[in-house]
Amino acid sequence: GQQLNQSPQSMFIQEGEDVSMNCTSSSIFNTWLWYKQDPGEGPVLLIALYKAGELTSNGRLTAQFGITRKDSFLNISASIPSDVGIYFCAGLSGTYKYIFGTGTRLKVLA
Amino acid sequence: GAGVSQSPSNKVTEKGKDVELRCDPISGHTALYWYRQSLGQGLEFLIYFQGNSAPDKSGLPSDRFSAERTGGSVSTLTIQRTQQEDSAVYLCASSDVWPGNEAFFGQGTRLTVV
Repeated sequence: GQQLNQSPQSMFIQEGEDVSMNCTSSSIFNTWLWYKQDPGEGPVLLIALYKAGELTSNGRLTAQFGITRKDSFLNISASIPSDVGIYFCAGLSGTYKYIFGTGTRLKVLA
Repeated sequence: GAGVSQSPSNKVTEKGKDVELRCDPISGHTALYWYRQSLGQGLEFLIYFQGNSAPDKSGLPSDRFSAERTGGSVSTLTIQRTQQEDSAVYLCASSDVWPGNEAFFGQGTRLTVV
């Protein structure tokens, strides 16, 4: 099925470092969502973005909705060990269909 | 309920048997989705419900897969004559269509076909 391209696919970082990941598409989306998935769990919603250019923060997380509406990025500042997991972006196509990215696997080294 | 609830959490079945997976969405959410996640992969859309209707079934991989929703609430995903390639985590999500469009997921059902 259709998927968004996320990069990087995986990353190892040291505790305390900042993290940046992005999501790109050939299609325009009206809403971008970022999720985190821990092993054996379902994805948990982190941030939702509704307007092109919108910048939204949630604690140490900051996400932006690209001006072209075809991309989004997520930053994590001062990473901690519990940030480990898989981060997915999702774009809302039309009124209901969420298209998910391929995921970024984050590992934090203490 | 407080969140999306799925049951069972884990299911091991023999090839050729039928299985039913259940999803209880967040109370009041009119939209319900089923996704499939194979090991180490992203989320694959299966089906979308608005109320009890399924306007988009385009992601169901074959006619062995079916889903229904009753009372605008609980949904059941049925896989008939299971195959080993059906092994995956099946995730359910629900949302209010308007406003927000934020989808919330259950913990998933891990299906293993042996």
